[in-house]
Order: sequence, then structure tokens, then C-alpha cells
Amino acid sequence: DAGITQSPRHKVTETGTPVTLRCHQTENHRYMYWYRQDPGHGLRLIHYSYGVKDTDKGEVSDGYSVSRSKTEDFLLTLESATSSQTSVYFCAISESMASGDHNEQFFGPGTRLTVL
Amino acid sequence: SQKIEQNSEALNIQEGKTATLTCNYTNYSPAYLQWYRQDPGRGPVFLLLIRENEKEKRKERLKVTFDTTLKQSLFHITASQPADSATYLCALCTDTGRRALTFGSGTRLQVQP
Repeated sequence: DAGITQSPRHKVTETGTPVTLRCHQTENHRYMYWYRQDPGHGLRLIHYSYGVKDTDKGEVSDGYSVSRSKTEDFLLTLESATSSQTSVYFCAISESMASGDHNEQFFGPGTRLTVL
Repeated sequence: SQKIEQNSEALNIQEGKTATLTCNYTNYSPAYLQWYRQDPGRGPVFLLLIRENEKEKRKERLKVTFDTTLKQSLFHITASQPADSATYLCALCTDTGRRALTFGSGTRLQVQP
């Protein structure tokens, strides 16, 4: 899986609690992304990063924040989890333009989050 | 509004036939389009990329076409096998600088032996 790990892989939490998901890569790729996947909606971009400390919002960023203090780690935080944030979360990475032609994203194994 | 639609939620075909999956989009001007495969419980895996100035791309039994006038991409799997059963996602990149993708909801392909 292209050197991407996500932790935890499964989590059950209660409404109102903070939750942090971690994405770790060993590929030294510049770009990192957080998606959520829900039935009928496919993958939707939450936030992404184009370098250390450089992040931007995706289409469903409300209720989420991110941080990237090192190239290899991208953290997704739900400050106060809600039941609507029950989903499968995927992290992805992408290499810099100079090193490839395909511009593909490599995905982690996913984190299944349930908010009760 | 911007929209990406994949032809159907599920597609069932017989082994050996050609599977054709459709991706239609509205109100986008994508620089390129990608296709991914996703197996249950796993993250998507990249298959093919086609750029806006390309009409067709091939890779082994896979073929992708891209018609920017029709705003449509077709994804073909020839001589399909049960192992090809999976969900296939199309994704558009409309901002090459940010390299962010917008995904369709996917088509689940089932190849019957």
C-alpha cells in the first residue's frame, strides 16, 4: 500500500468527543489528502496539504481541522464528533510533479469511525 | 452545479465479455481524468490517467476514452474475468496546481463465471 498507514483502523466514540486520525507515509511525497467515503456519495475531499504547514479545505471541511508539522504525518481532527461524521476515512498521498507523469494518488487502508 | 455521474451503481456481465463503464460530468473543465479500482474494505488503487488532449489510453485489457465535447469518459475491460469484480471510480482533476481530485460515486462491477 505504497508506504501509507492510518491509525486507528477502527474507532467507536461518542458524540461531542474529540477524535484525531493519523496518516503516516514513508514515501516522502509532498501532497497528502483526507477523504471520507459514504454510501451514495463516493469519496469526498475533506482537507489536503501541499507541503509542511501548507493545508487547504476540500468540499466537506466543516467540523474538521488538519495539521501537518512533518512531511510524513497528516492529522485529521474532529473537534467535537457528531453522528454525521460516522464514515470511512481515507488518507492519500501524491508525488511531486517533477517525479512522475501519472499524478495518481496512493491510498491508505482506511479508518472506520463510528460516532454514537 | 458541478456533478460527476457514473452510469449505474452496479453492472453484471458474463466472464469473457467486455465491460463498459461510463463517467459523465457537468460544469467541469478537467485537465485530466483518472480511473481507480476499489475492493471491499480497501482503499482505491490507481489504474489509468487520460489527459484532456488525449482521446484514448490503453493498458493491457483496459481502455479509457475521453470526449471533452460530450463531457464523458468510457472505461472498458475486455475479456473480463471474475477477478475484475470490484467498484470502479472515476476522478477529475480541475486544478493541477493543487492536484485535488473530485470522485464519482463509483460503479460496482460483478463478473459472473
